[in-house]
Amino acid sequence: KQEVTQIPAALSVPEGENLVLNCSFTDSAIYNLQWFRQDPGKGLTSLLLIQSSQREQTSGRLNASLDKSSGRSTLYIAASQPGDSATYLCAVRDTDKLIFGTGTRLQVFP
Amino acid sequence: EAGVTQSPTHLIKTRGQQATLRCSPISGHTSVYWYQQALGLGLQFLLWYDEGEERNRGNFPPRFSGRQFPNYSSELNVNALELEDSALYLCASTLWERGADTQYFGPGTRLTVL
Repeated sequence: KQEVTQIPAALSVPEGENLVLNCSFTDSAIYNLQWFRQDPGKGLTSLLLIQSSQREQTSGRLNASLDKSSGRSTLYIAASQPGDSATYLCAVRDTDKLIFGTGTRLQVFP
Repeated sequence: EAGVTQSPTHLIKTRGQQATLRCSPISGHTSVYWYQQALGLGLQFLLWYDEGEERNRGNFPPRFSGRQFPNYSSELNVNALELEDSALYLCASTLWERGADTQYFGPGTRLTVL
């Protein structure tokens, strides 16, 4: 049974810092891995999707990597801003559904 | 392009009642997924509909059911509501392409059971 874990559970940093959020999964047989952002009480915003054949994806200040063999993905956020404060979720796609991690709650203070 | 929409935004029911939640996918998307986000339990897969058929369901009791209409919109029904059904219910749509798709999420319906 696929299990997805995210470390750390919470993170508080000053503005401007570069951050690394970690995601690990137990079964490497995935179709893709997706990173989402969720603001309090809101739905999910897709940030990056990495196909199983890819190693990384970049969008603006965000970079996500995928190492299927070790069951790990990292989300790198460069030059963090207060507007980046949210919960970040990773999710792996098996044949027909997403399996979500536990999330990392990020707070970036000015 | 309009995103995934869900209604209502909030829903308050009492134990034992039935709740109906609605989802309209992005135009052109044929698959709709439902997820439950209960406090302390994270996001869990509930149901998947594609081309009008239920394709898979998560580990939830039969009280949770739904359907997909010919226009690909979907309805989630929860019967005999229990207090632990209080959660944010999220709908996502996609154009299913052998797992190569991105799931786009709606804003959610907050269900409170008193």
